[in-house]
Amino acid sequence: NAGVTQTPKFQVLKTGQSMTLQCAQDMNHNSMYWYRQDPGMGLRLIYYSASEGTTDKGEVPNGYNVSRLNKREFSLRLESAAPSQTSVYFCASSDRMNTEAFFGQGTRLTVV
Amino acid sequence: GEDVEQSLFLSVREGDSSVINCTYTDSSSTYLYWYKQEPGAGLQLLTYIFSNMDMKQDQRLTVLLNKKDKHLSLRIADTQTGDSAIYFCAEIGSSNTGKLIFGQGTTLQVKP
Repeated sequence: NAGVTQTPKFQVLKTGQSMTLQCAQDMNHNSMYWYRQDPGMGLRLIYYSASEGTTDKGEVPNGYNVSRLNKREFSLRLESAAPSQTSVYFCASSDRMNTEAFFGQGTRLTVV
Repeated sequence: GEDVEQSLFLSVREGDSSVINCTYTDSSSTYLYWYKQEPGAGLQLLTYIFSNMDMKQDQRLTVLLNKKDKHLSLRIADTQTGDSAIYFCAEIGSSNTGKLIFGQGTTLQVKP
């Protein structure tokens, strides 16, 4: 039972480089989310996708783009990485509104 | 706006009870959640409470909700060293998109 799978688990980027974080879920969930976790700040929502074909900005979208490729996959792209984007990134999914969200194991990203 | 606040740290002795507190601002929240994060891992749902409930008990866990004061607490009875983790309180935002608003997280340290 894979649940929510994120790749990669760790990544180091140089300032200005781009990369895409991948997320896939095998639970047939409609909604998917990207959060970032920083010390003392909890998790902050970057982007979410309430259903296949739709995406919306969360609390901290600047510097990021997303693609809901299909129902299973939701990717997060950093076009030009900045040190302020050093964080742990979590993907999550849920069946519908107001239900339990399942989280991936996280991607630890360092931008130098 | 929506905001969730938690104290950052709690230390207890093994066998004691732990009480982790949380306050929130969105009175229209329908569900409130407690998530647990162990070191290097993603978030795992511990329990949740529907907004029309005052209390929910699940084995060693007791959740109390005071809607008037917008205060949520998680009590862990007979705390064990394996309970050492970060505990996040979360609410469903009023925009009804299923996105969770998290507190900063409370680090629970259990001393033997």
